[in-house]
Amino acid sequence: DTAVSQTPKYLVTQMGNDKSIKCEQNLGHDTMYWYKQDSKKFLKIMFSYNNKELIINETVPNRFSPKSPDKAHLNLHINSLELGDSAVYFCASSMDPTTDTQYFGPGTRLTVL
Amino acid sequence: QKEVEQDPGPLSVPEGAIVSLNCTYSNSAFQYFMWYRQYSRKGPELLMYTYSSGNKEDGRFTAQVDKSSKYISLFIRDSQPSDSATYLCAMISTGNQFYFGTGTSLTVIP
Repeated sequence: DTAVSQTPKYLVTQMGNDKSIKCEQNLGHDTMYWYKQDSKKFLKIMFSYNNKELIINETVPNRFSPKSPDKAHLNLHINSLELGDSAVYFCASSMDPTTDTQYFGPGTRLTVL
Repeated sequence: QKEVEQDPGPLSVPEGAIVSLNCTYSNSAFQYFMWYRQYSRKGPELLMYTYSSGNKEDGRFTAQVDKSSKYISLFIRDSQPSDSATYLCAMISTGNQFYFGTGTSLTVIP
């Protein structure tokens, strides 16, 4: 029973390609997040959706576009991939966007060659 | 200056030692303070959560918050090899923004 799942787990691709990472949660949570963790383990929030509406949109390139078809899914699409996009991307969810515990997915390790 | 500062370590201690992990922050708007544990190649998992100054204990773990000094700590008593992981502090501001520290890598040697 995976609470927050991400696919794929590993993604290796060439510069300039477009790729998507999918996230699904079966916890009944209203809020979902995307984080980027760099090689130094720094975890930085990118986006947050509450009930399919964007509530946090940190300064990330326009090449990154989140899509939430329903509140159990938050996918991340990345256009024109660059070397600097190589990182581990974590999806997370919580009941509400304020004080509630966030549950993280296993991460997607993206390598751009 | 980063919003949250955390010594990346690495920190290496013998089994049974008391471990002290710390973070400092600069934004007085931070209200909620958390510690996450992250095993290698896994997502972070929440260990402790508090919103007030003082101590909060859960088993071998104690979280301490000093808002006047803008300083938080996580203490691990009787450390075990299974505690070997990266520990990240995290904070939520009044604007509902999450900020994470860079994490401290801990190794507990049997």
